[in-house]
Amino acid sequence: GDSVTQMEGPVTLSEEACLTINCTYTATGYPSLFWYVQYPGEGLQLLLKATKADDKGSNKGFEATYRKETTSFHLEKGSVQVSDSAVYFCALRMWGNSGGSNYKLTFGKGTLLTVNP
Amino acid sequence: NAGVTQTPKFRVLKTGQSMTLLCAQDMNHEYMYWYRQDPGMGLRLIHYSVGEGTTAKGEVPDGYNVSRLKKQNFLLGLESAAPSQTSVYFCASSFSGGKYEQYFGPGTRLTVT
Repeated sequence: GDSVTQMEGPVTLSEEACLTINCTYTATGYPSLFWYVQYPGEGLQLLLKATKADDKGSNKGFEATYRKETTSFHLEKGSVQVSDSAVYFCALRMWGNSGGSNYKLTFGKGTLLTVNP
Repeated sequence: NAGVTQTPKFRVLKTGQSMTLLCAQDMNHEYMYWYRQDPGMGLRLIHYSVGEGTTAKGEVPDGYNVSRLKKQNFLLGLESAAPSQTSVYFCASSFSGGKYEQYFGPGTRLTVT
């Protein structure tokens, strides 16, 4: 079945450091890829997405590029802030009606990021 | 536009008690979902609905029932709560599938003693 593997945390960085959170996927087809962020005590919010190969999603200084050849969607930010401290989830969702599976969002286990001042 | 709201925010149940969690969305989304989030497990899909009057099982449906009598509401029921159902429950909604993202509610923290 479809699956998402992301870098396990926790990740602790100093403010203004560079961030990379690795995410790779396994899917029988061509998924859409997402990064969600969960701030302490809150629900998940969409951070960025990419719907086809070579697309780059970006938002709030974060970027991720859909790499079909390496089945990856790594999250990057050049300079993190204390306010970026959160749990980050990589997820995929299939197109079309392949057995009705297009409803399902498959999540990685999440990566806790803590940014210290 | 409130997005996705969940009621209640917190609840403590004794083993064997029942309860219903309510999810409401005002975005006219067709699809709605219930997830549970447990430490180290990510989010796991309990049940979902692709339209008013329809429901289907997700990955971990045992011990839960759902109903979608109105398009904007999706109810999750626990008939006889067990300690293994202690979790944070999230509701989500979306326009159909594929490229459309899911919008999440703020969560319900349930403890079963």
